[in-house]
Amino acid sequence: DVKVTQSSRYLVKRTGEKVFLECVQDMDHENMFWYRQDPGLGLRLIYFSYDVKMKEKGDIPEGYSVSREKKERFSLILESASTNQTSMYLCASSYGPSYGYTFGSGTRLTVV
Amino acid sequence: GQQLNQSPQSMFIQEGEDVSMNCTSSSIFNTWLWYKQDPGEGPVLLIALYKAGELTSNGRLTAQFGTTRKDSFLNISASIPSDVGIYFCAGQRGNTGNQFYFGTGTSLTVIP
Repeated sequence: DVKVTQSSRYLVKRTGEKVFLECVQDMDHENMFWYRQDPGLGLRLIYFSYDVKMKEKGDIPEGYSVSREKKERFSLILESASTNQTSMYLCASSYGPSYGYTFGSGTRLTVV
Repeated sequence: GQQLNQSPQSMFIQEGEDVSMNCTSSSIFNTWLWYKQDPGEGPVLLIALYKAGELTSNGRLTAQFGTTRKDSFLNISASIPSDVGIYFCAGQRGNTGNQFYFGTGTSLTVIP
């Protein structure tokens, strides 16, 4: 079964810490995405990548960066975690344009 | 970012009832997707629509691509307890590559 795996289901970090969220897909997909999900706001795109070493800003990139050194791995980095970054983070991948996304199970991050 | 409005925000229904929800946009979309998110999990793709007016079924679920290309509809017939979750629509404009915009979600509760 094809999979998108997020390294942690739950994380608790302190304000100011550098946080890494890891995502790995085994489908040889070109495209990978990071979303955050907050009640009443739906899914908001943070960053996405069409290829290795390529990245594009989504709708809410402030306070985040990403890294894609290998095709199967897309990392989200919170440079200095803040309490307003407490959220559910979802990674997704897709084969190409117009193809639906396959999502991971999510990482629920709490910043205290 | 692009705003997709989903309606209703939440629904509480009796087991066996039919469910209808919709998604509207201010922009024309070329592709519509419907996802379901179970509690604590990532969204899972239910139905994909690629043509205006298209009607597609997946078991008890039926979705339609609105003729104006600015809306889409999802119906669930004879609901069962495992239909509980959050349903998201997602739309893609032809000129934005692979980026899908997500609605704010409809939370469905089925009362046995």
